[in-house]
Amino acid sequence: NAGVTQTPKFRILKIGQSMTLQCTQDMNHNYMYWYRQDPGMGLKLIYYSVGAGITDKGEVPNGYNVSRSTTEDFPLRLELAAPSQTSVYFCASTQTFSEQYFGPGTRLTVT
Amino acid sequence: TQLLEQSPQFLSIQEGENLTVYCNSSSVFSSLQWYRQEPGEGPVLLVTVVTGGEVKKLKRLTFQFGDARKDSSLHITAAQPGDTGLYLCATYGGTSYGKLTFGQGTILTVHP
Repeated sequence: NAGVTQTPKFRILKIGQSMTLQCTQDMNHNYMYWYRQDPGMGLKLIYYSVGAGITDKGEVPNGYNVSRSTTEDFPLRLELAAPSQTSVYFCASTQTFSEQYFGPGTRLTVT
Repeated sequence: TQLLEQSPQFLSIQEGENLTVYCNSSSVFSSLQWYRQEPGEGPVLLVTVVTGGEVKKLKRLTFQFGDARKDSSLHITAAQPGDTGLYLCATYGGTSYGKLTFGQGTILTVHP
């Protein structure tokens, strides 16, 4: 099993550009999450999903959108990139209220 | 959303020293998880504590859950450079289904 995979690993965006961060898990987990982590800080929840077709906002959803058309994929969309969105983004999944499995992260810089 | 406070925020020690990291909340935890995150990687679960007063050991790491389930600690004995990383506590507590809330983390640096 590959676990949770994320692409790209690094990306530099100009202000106002758009991009999609990809996340795929092969563990057949129902629950998936997107977090952002600023330097030296914990993780803040952006969006989460409890199953295909069901998503909900986390703590910091502004400026982001998600979709969940399949169990495996949970892409995160940035529509109009802003410098405040410079961060490291982690995708995670779990099957129950237990261990969350994290991807390796996407490091995004908006200039 | 349940707020988690971790202390200290930074810890820089020499190899062989002992250390303790704390995680506190004003609310009762349903359960508490500890994760370690190494530079450039995602967090990895170390342990989950569920019962008040519970103590779990993982090699040189000892995890304790407070009797009232409002606090937890992580104690590392004889720290090694390989213990360097960000230690995060997290809980599923709160009213929102499926949401894990993290503390701000403790950055540990162990010098050889």
